[in-house]
Amino acid sequence: NAGVTQTPKFQVLKTGQSMTLQCAQDMNHNSMYWYRQDPGMGLRLIYYSASEGTTDKGEVPNGYNVSRLNKREFSLRLESAAPSQTSVYFCASSLEYGYTFGSGTRLTVV
Amino acid sequence: AQSVTQPDIHITVSEGASLELRCNYSYGATPYLFWYVQSPGQGLQLLLKYFSGDTLVQGIKGFEAEFKRSQSSFNLRKPSVHWSDAAEYFCAVGSGNTGKLIFGQGTTLQVKP
Repeated sequence: NAGVTQTPKFQVLKTGQSMTLQCAQDMNHNSMYWYRQDPGMGLRLIYYSASEGTTDKGEVPNGYNVSRLNKREFSLRLESAAPSQTSVYFCASSLEYGYTFGSGTRLTVV
Repeated sequence: AQSVTQPDIHITVSEGASLELRCNYSYGATPYLFWYVQSPGQGLQLLLKYFSGDTLVQGIKGFEAEFKRSQSSFNLRKPSVHWSDAAEYFCAVGSGNTGKLIFGQGTTLQVKP
């Protein structure tokens, strides 16, 4: 089925470790997004990419970096994980506000 | 700056009862408005959206929402709730022409048998 694929689904990191969350979409959407979801705070935008080759900061970019590798793939990197980055991360792609979300990555930093 | 407020963190209704989830937004221009639903452990599914035109919008699963510009509201309604409607509901506003969505804090719906 067409959609947004995120890997991994679950991850436990130690403080200070690094990791990359992968996201790929096969709907030929120009725009891609990374959100984090925390209890009582809804989804907050970390970074987004309006098109291949461009990225911009969202509401909560500190501690993260992104790469728009090509039109299909948009990765999120934590260089030095902190407990405050424990969250559920969602990737999404869109075409004119028609959003498709991935199933999420549950990340725990201990 | 754009923002979305969902005043009710948690709502409990009896199965078969009517439901209204509140959403208030702050946005300078005509907003693009959305309601999403998230079942436990799942991603987000679009229920309905409003871009322009008729202010009463019909969505999937029997949901509807009404855009009221004078009240800056976009409340979600369902006439008769089913146990399977228990989930978390998010209201969101589209941020200009960037395609970004700004989400509310979410409302958790519990359905009593």
